[in-house]
Amino acid sequence: DGGITQSPKYLFRKEGQNVTLSCEQNLNHDAMYWYRQDPGQGLRLIYYSQIVNDFQKGDIAEGYSVSREKKESFPLTVTSAQKNPTAFYLCASSIKGGSSYEQYFGPGTRLTVT
Amino acid sequence: DQQVKQNSPSLSVQEGRISILNCDYTNSMFDYFLWYKKYPAEGPTFLISISSIKDKNEDGRFTVFLNKSAKHLSLHIVPSQPGDSAVYFCAASATFLTGNQFYFGTGTSLTVIP
Repeated sequence: DGGITQSPKYLFRKEGQNVTLSCEQNLNHDAMYWYRQDPGQGLRLIYYSQIVNDFQKGDIAEGYSVSREKKESFPLTVTSAQKNPTAFYLCASSIKGGSSYEQYFGPGTRLTVT
Repeated sequence: DQQVKQNSPSLSVQEGRISILNCDYTNSMFDYFLWYKKYPAEGPTFLISISSIKDKNEDGRFTVFLNKSAKHLSLHIVPSQPGDSAVYFCAASATFLTGNQFYFGTGTSLTVIP
């Protein structure tokens, strides 16, 4: 049963702590993405990766870091430098990194930082 | 700078009638457009797409229309069913923009009344 898994579904952290959100896919997709959704806003791209060991910044990469050591995994670290980390985070993947390939999304992780 | 806009945050329609969701974009380089459907606490799921070489694409009850001169696309759902109640996002991308990035609208919450 192929898909994208994100864990945990809900995550709570204290301000000043780094936190890592997990994203795994077994779709054999080359490209993976991280988005952030805030109330009243569309999804905004944080980072994306078109191939293992390579990733690029999206529009709002400041305060975040990623790694892509395996094709299946694309973890996102929210660092203490991120000013407003509380949000709903979505991971996605696509067959390839081209703009005409639809993206498949995971269920999301809601991060709350207090 | 919102390049993809969905100006109607919500829409209510009677079951069996047509639902029309609208989306406007500002970047004339966009050449691929998608609609996603999202239920609460879940990631978006791909619904239908259209390339800029077409002005209409149909898939069952769902039809997307593209008006390039007006930079406008719409999603028609006929007939609407209660299970269609969800948030709908439109997204756009441009082959020649760096990053193969998709730009998402803010979403329209559709409620289909039985």
